[in-house]
Amino acid sequence: KQEVTQIPAALSVPEGENLVLNCSFTDSAIYNLQWFRQDPGKGLTSLLLIQSSQREQTSGRLNASLDKSSGRSTLYIAASQPGDSATYLCAVRPDNYGQNFVFGPGTRLSVLP
Amino acid sequence: EPEVTQTPSHQVTQMGQEVILRCVPISNHLYFYWYRQILGQKVEFLVSFYNNEISEKSEIFDDQFSVERPDGSNFTLKIRSTKLEDSAMYFCASGRGTPMREPPYNEQFFGPGTRLTVL
Repeated sequence: KQEVTQIPAALSVPEGENLVLNCSFTDSAIYNLQWFRQDPGKGLTSLLLIQSSQREQTSGRLNASLDKSSGRSTLYIAASQPGDSATYLCAVRPDNYGQNFVFGPGTRLSVLP
Repeated sequence: EPEVTQTPSHQVTQMGQEVILRCVPISNHLYFYWYRQILGQKVEFLVSFYNNEISEKSEIFDDQFSVERPDGSNFTLKIRSTKLEDSAMYFCASGRGTPMREPPYNEQFFGPGTRLTVL
Protein backbone atom coordinates (compact mmCIF):
# COMPACT_ATOMS: atom_id res chain seq x y z
CA LYS A 1 0.00 0.00 0.00
CA GLN A 2 1.36 3.38 -0.98
CA GLU A 3 2.39 5.67 1.89
CA VAL A 4 3.43 9.28 1.47
CA THR A 5 5.40 11.25 4.03
CA GLN A 6 6.56 14.85 4.07
CA ILE A 7 9.47 16.41 5.90
CA PRO A 8 9.57 18.75 7.68
CA ALA A 9 6.09 18.89 9.22
CA ALA A 10 6.51 22.63 9.77
CA LEU A 11 9.02 25.22 8.64
CA SER A 12 9.49 28.86 9.51
CA VAL A 13 11.87 31.02 7.45
CA PRO A 14 12.59 34.71 7.00
CA GLU A 15 11.41 36.37 3.83
CA GLY A 16 13.75 36.03 0.87
CA GLU A 17 15.14 32.62 1.74
CA ASN A 18 15.21 29.75 -0.72
CA LEU A 19 13.74 26.58 0.73
CA VAL A 20 13.15 22.92 -0.04
CA LEU A 21 10.18 20.79 0.96
CA ASN A 22 10.52 17.03 0.80
CA CYS A 23 8.07 14.30 -0.14
CA SER A 24 8.74 10.56 0.04
CA PHE A 25 6.63 7.68 -1.18
CA THR A 26 7.04 3.98 -0.54
CA ASP A 27 6.03 2.49 -3.89
CA SER A 28 7.82 3.77 -6.99
CA ALA A 29 5.05 2.51 -9.28
CA ILE A 30 3.40 5.88 -9.67
CA TYR A 31 1.68 7.50 -12.58
CA ASN A 32 2.34 11.06 -11.54
CA LEU A 33 2.89 13.33 -8.56
CA GLN A 34 1.16 16.63 -7.87
CA TRP A 35 2.07 19.40 -5.44
CA PHE A 36 -0.72 21.46 -3.91
CA ARG A 37 -0.99 24.47 -1.68
CA GLN A 38 -3.68 24.65 1.02
CA ASP A 39 -4.51 27.85 2.85
CA PRO A 40 -6.19 27.52 6.28
CA GLY A 41 -9.79 26.36 5.95
CA LYS A 42 -9.57 26.47 2.18
CA GLY A 43 -9.36 24.12 -0.76
CA LEU A 44 -6.33 22.81 -2.59
CA THR A 45 -4.59 24.83 -5.26
CA SER A 46 -2.62 22.84 -7.79
CA LEU A 47 0.97 24.04 -8.09
CA LEU A 48 2.82 21.54 -10.25
CA LEU A 49 2.16 18.16 -11.80
CA ILE A 50 5.05 15.87 -12.68
CA GLN A 51 4.49 12.83 -14.86
CA SER A 52 6.39 9.66 -13.91
CA SER A 53 8.57 10.02 -17.01
CA GLN A 54 9.63 13.58 -16.07
CA ARG A 55 12.43 14.71 -13.78
CA GLU A 56 11.21 18.20 -12.95
CA GLN A 57 8.66 20.91 -13.57
CA THR A 58 8.95 24.64 -13.07
CA SER A 59 6.41 27.38 -12.55
CA GLY A 60 7.65 30.84 -11.64
CA ARG A 61 9.57 30.63 -8.35
CA LEU A 62 8.60 26.98 -7.87
CA ASN A 63 10.55 23.98 -9.07
CA ALA A 64 9.54 20.40 -8.36
CA SER A 65 11.78 17.43 -8.99
CA LEU A 66 10.96 13.75 -9.07
CA ASP A 67 13.23 10.76 -8.48
CA LYS A 68 10.82 7.91 -8.97
CA SER A 69 13.30 5.11 -8.34
CA SER A 70 14.21 6.44 -4.91
CA GLY A 71 10.65 7.47 -4.08
CA ARG A 72 11.32 11.16 -3.60
CA SER A 73 10.15 14.53 -4.77
CA THR A 74 11.26 17.97 -3.70
CA LEU A 75 9.55 21.32 -4.04
CA TYR A 76 11.98 24.21 -4.25
CA ILE A 77 10.67 27.70 -3.52
CA ALA A 78 12.98 30.54 -4.49
CA ALA A 79 13.02 33.93 -2.79
CA SER A 80 10.19 33.11 -0.39
CA GLN A 81 7.53 35.73 0.38
CA PRO A 82 5.03 36.06 3.25
CA GLY A 83 2.29 35.22 0.74
CA ASP A 84 3.86 31.77 0.35
CA SER A 85 2.76 30.91 3.90
CA ALA A 86 0.46 27.89 3.62
CA THR A 87 0.47 24.12 3.93
CA TYR A 88 2.09 22.33 1.00
CA LEU A 89 0.80 18.88 0.14
CA CYS A 90 2.22 16.32 -2.21
CA ALA A 91 0.09 13.57 -3.65
CA VAL A 92 1.02 10.57 -5.75
CA ARG A 93 -1.20 8.65 -8.10
CA PRO A 94 -0.45 4.91 -8.06
CA ASP A 95 0.14 3.32 -11.43
CA ASN A 96 -3.06 1.38 -11.65
CA TYR A 97 -6.40 1.95 -13.28
CA GLY A 98 -7.79 4.13 -10.53
CA GLN A 99 -7.01 7.80 -10.73
CA ASN A 100 -7.11 8.51 -7.04
CA PHE A 101 -4.38 10.30 -5.17
CA VAL A 102 -2.57 9.27 -2.01
CA PHE A 103 -1.75 12.41 -0.07
CA GLY A 104 1.05 13.25 2.31
CA PRO A 105 0.36 15.00 5.62
CA GLY A 106 1.75 18.31 4.38
CA THR A 107 4.43 20.78 5.39
CA ARG A 108 3.17 23.93 7.12
CA LEU A 109 5.29 26.85 5.90
CA SER A 110 5.50 30.24 7.57
CA VAL A 111 7.48 32.98 5.83
CA LEU A 112 8.19 35.82 8.22
CA PRO A 113 8.36 39.42 6.96
CA GLU B 1 -10.23 30.85 -15.40
CA PRO B 2 -12.72 28.01 -14.93
CA GLU B 3 -12.86 26.50 -11.46
CA VAL B 4 -14.60 23.81 -9.47
CA THR B 5 -17.34 25.16 -7.21
CA GLN B 6 -18.98 23.51 -4.21
CA THR B 7 -22.10 24.23 -2.19
CA PRO B 8 -22.77 24.74 0.61
CA SER B 9 -19.52 26.00 2.09
CA HIS B 10 -20.61 24.78 5.52
CA GLN B 11 -23.30 22.23 6.41
CA VAL B 12 -24.39 21.41 9.95
CA THR B 13 -26.57 18.36 10.45
CA GLN B 14 -27.82 16.05 13.17
CA MET B 15 -26.50 12.51 13.43
CA GLY B 16 -28.62 10.13 11.38
CA GLN B 17 -29.74 12.75 8.88
CA GLU B 18 -29.07 12.58 5.16
CA VAL B 19 -26.91 15.22 3.53
CA ILE B 20 -26.17 16.01 -0.09
CA LEU B 21 -23.02 17.88 -0.99
CA ARG B 22 -22.96 19.52 -4.37
CA CYS B 23 -20.19 20.24 -6.82
CA VAL B 24 -20.01 21.83 -10.23
CA PRO B 25 -16.89 20.50 -11.98
CA ILE B 26 -15.04 22.34 -14.72
CA SER B 27 -17.20 22.07 -17.81
CA ASN B 28 -15.01 20.10 -20.23
CA HIS B 29 -13.74 17.67 -17.62
CA LEU B 30 -14.57 13.98 -17.78
CA TYR B 31 -13.35 12.64 -14.42
CA PHE B 32 -14.84 13.58 -11.07
CA TYR B 33 -13.69 12.82 -7.56
CA TRP B 34 -14.58 13.23 -3.93
CA TYR B 35 -12.01 13.47 -1.16
CA ARG B 36 -12.36 14.24 2.51
CA GLN B 37 -10.08 15.73 5.14
CA ILE B 38 -10.83 15.20 8.80
CA LEU B 39 -9.52 18.10 10.86
CA GLY B 40 -5.77 17.76 11.36
CA GLN B 41 -5.49 14.66 9.18
CA LYS B 42 -4.48 13.82 5.62
CA VAL B 43 -6.67 14.32 2.59
CA GLU B 44 -8.24 10.94 1.79
CA PHE B 45 -9.65 9.67 -1.48
CA LEU B 46 -13.30 8.58 -1.44
CA VAL B 47 -14.45 7.89 -4.98
CA SER B 48 -13.79 8.56 -8.64
CA PHE B 49 -16.48 8.79 -11.30
CA TYR B 50 -16.23 8.53 -15.05
CA ASN B 51 -18.73 7.92 -17.83
CA ASN B 52 -21.63 7.96 -15.37
CA GLU B 53 -20.30 5.26 -13.13
CA ILE B 54 -17.94 4.79 -10.22
CA SER B 55 -14.48 3.88 -11.50
CA GLU B 56 -12.86 3.38 -8.12
CA LYS B 57 -13.74 3.78 -4.47
CA SER B 58 -11.85 3.53 -1.22
CA GLU B 59 -12.77 1.47 1.84
CA ILE B 60 -14.17 4.65 3.38
CA PHE B 61 -16.84 4.83 0.68
CA ASP B 62 -19.26 2.31 2.15
CA ASP B 63 -22.99 1.80 1.57
CA GLN B 64 -23.79 5.03 3.38
CA PHE B 65 -22.24 7.01 0.54
CA SER B 66 -23.42 7.46 -3.01
CA VAL B 67 -22.53 9.74 -5.89
CA GLU B 68 -24.56 10.98 -8.77
CA ARG B 69 -24.32 13.23 -11.77
CA PRO B 70 -27.98 14.20 -11.99
CA ASP B 71 -27.56 16.55 -14.94
CA GLY B 72 -24.83 17.81 -17.23
CA SER B 73 -23.23 20.07 -14.69
CA ASN B 74 -23.67 18.89 -11.08
CA PHE B 75 -21.88 16.11 -9.25
CA THR B 76 -23.23 15.17 -5.84
CA LEU B 77 -22.13 13.17 -2.82
CA LYS B 78 -24.90 11.82 -0.61
CA ILE B 79 -24.40 10.50 2.89
CA ARG B 80 -27.53 8.60 3.88
CA SER B 81 -27.30 8.50 7.64
CA THR B 82 -24.57 10.74 8.96
CA LYS B 83 -22.34 9.73 11.86
CA LEU B 84 -20.24 11.92 14.11
CA GLU B 85 -17.10 10.64 12.41
CA ASP B 86 -18.32 11.94 9.04
CA SER B 87 -17.49 15.45 10.22
CA ALA B 88 -14.80 16.64 7.83
CA MET B 89 -14.03 18.92 4.92
CA TYR B 90 -15.24 17.32 1.70
CA PHE B 91 -13.46 18.27 -1.51
CA CYS B 92 -14.69 17.72 -5.02
CA ALA B 93 -12.15 17.56 -7.83
CA SER B 94 -12.31 17.18 -11.58
CA GLY B 95 -9.85 16.38 -14.34
CA ARG B 96 -9.98 16.31 -18.09
CA GLY B 97 -8.34 12.91 -18.30
CA THR B 98 -8.63 10.59 -21.21
CA PRO B 99 -9.48 6.88 -21.26
CA MET B 100 -5.85 6.24 -22.19
CA ARG B 101 -4.67 8.49 -19.33
CA GLU B 102 -2.39 10.44 -21.63
CA PRO B 103 -0.68 13.52 -20.23
CA PRO B 104 -1.09 16.42 -19.83
CA TYR B 105 -4.77 15.98 -19.16
CA ASN B 106 -4.69 14.13 -15.87
CA GLU B 107 -4.15 17.04 -13.50
CA GLN B 108 -6.85 17.28 -10.85
CA PHE B 109 -8.42 20.59 -9.89
CA PHE B 110 -10.02 20.91 -6.48
CA GLY B 111 -12.97 22.91 -5.27
CA PRO B 112 -12.92 25.02 -2.09
CA GLY B 113 -14.59 22.30 -0.04
CA THR B 114 -17.70 21.86 2.07
CA ARG B 115 -17.20 21.70 5.80
CA LEU B 116 -19.62 19.11 7.20
CA THR B 117 -20.32 19.19 10.91
CA VAL B 118 -22.36 16.33 12.36
CA LEU B 119 -23.81 16.98 15.82
